[in-house]
Amino acid sequence: SAVISQKPSRDICQRGTSLTIQCQVDSQVTMMFWYRQQPGQSLTLIATANQGSEATYESGFVIDKFPISRPNLTFSTLTVSNMSPEDSSIYLCSVEGARGNYGYTFGSGTRLTVV
Amino acid sequence: AQSVTQLDSQVPVFEEAPVELRCNYSSSVSVYLFWYVQYPNQGLQLLLKYLSGSTLVKSINGFEAEFNKSQTSFHLRKPSVHISDTAEYFCAVSVRSGGYQKVTFGTGTKLQVIP
Repeated sequence: SAVISQKPSRDICQRGTSLTIQCQVDSQVTMMFWYRQQPGQSLTLIATANQGSEATYESGFVIDKFPISRPNLTFSTLTVSNMSPEDSSIYLCSVEGARGNYGYTFGSGTRLTVV
Repeated sequence: AQSVTQLDSQVPVFEEAPVELRCNYSSSVSVYLFWYVQYPNQGLQLLLKYLSGSTLVKSINGFEAEFNKSQTSFHLRKPSVHISDTAEYFCAVSVRSGGYQKVTFGTGTKLQVIP
C-alpha cells in the first residue's frame, strides 16, 4: 500500500492566520482525500482532490476556507484559512487503495490547535 | 445515504480478556465494510475489511469481524486482548460513487486494556 508523509505533525496557531498542510505520497495516485477529525468525533470528509481539476468539497466546507492544491499525482496541500478556535482538529490526508485492494491509507495527521 | 453506528464510545477490558466492539450500518445499496485502528497520536491504519465472500474476516494481529447482512452488523472481536491493543477503533462503510469509494466512518470506540 502507499506510504504518505504528512507535515507538519502538529502546530499551534494564532486565530486569523492560515496554515498549509502538505501530503506527499510515494506513488502516483489519481485522487487524494482530506479529512477533519474534531476532538472526540469521527472523521469528516472535507474534499476530494483530483489532479488537474478543482477539488470537490463536501457539504459544509468551502474553497475559501479550505483551499486545496493538487499540482501533481504525488502531492497535495490543504490550507486552513482565517483560523478560529473551532478549527482546532486533526487533519488527515488519505489515498484510496489500488484497484482490488480496497481501503484507504492515511497520513499520520496534523494536530492543529488555534489559540 | 449510508450511516454507521458504534454504540460504545469506550470499552474498558482487562488484559487477556475477550472483547467485542459493535458496529451497525445502514445503506440502501451494497457496501464494503472496514475497521480502522488509530493508536495515540497516529493516523488511521486499516485493520481488516469485508468486500465479498466469506463473512468472517481476520487481521494478522488476532482481530476478526463477521459481516451479518440480516442484522446489518460488522462487529469486531478478539479472544484475548493485549496492552498494545489500546487504541481507538473506527468502523466504516463505503459505496462506489463518482468513480471512487465514498467512505462513512462511525464515531469510534476507545478500547482501553487494563493490565
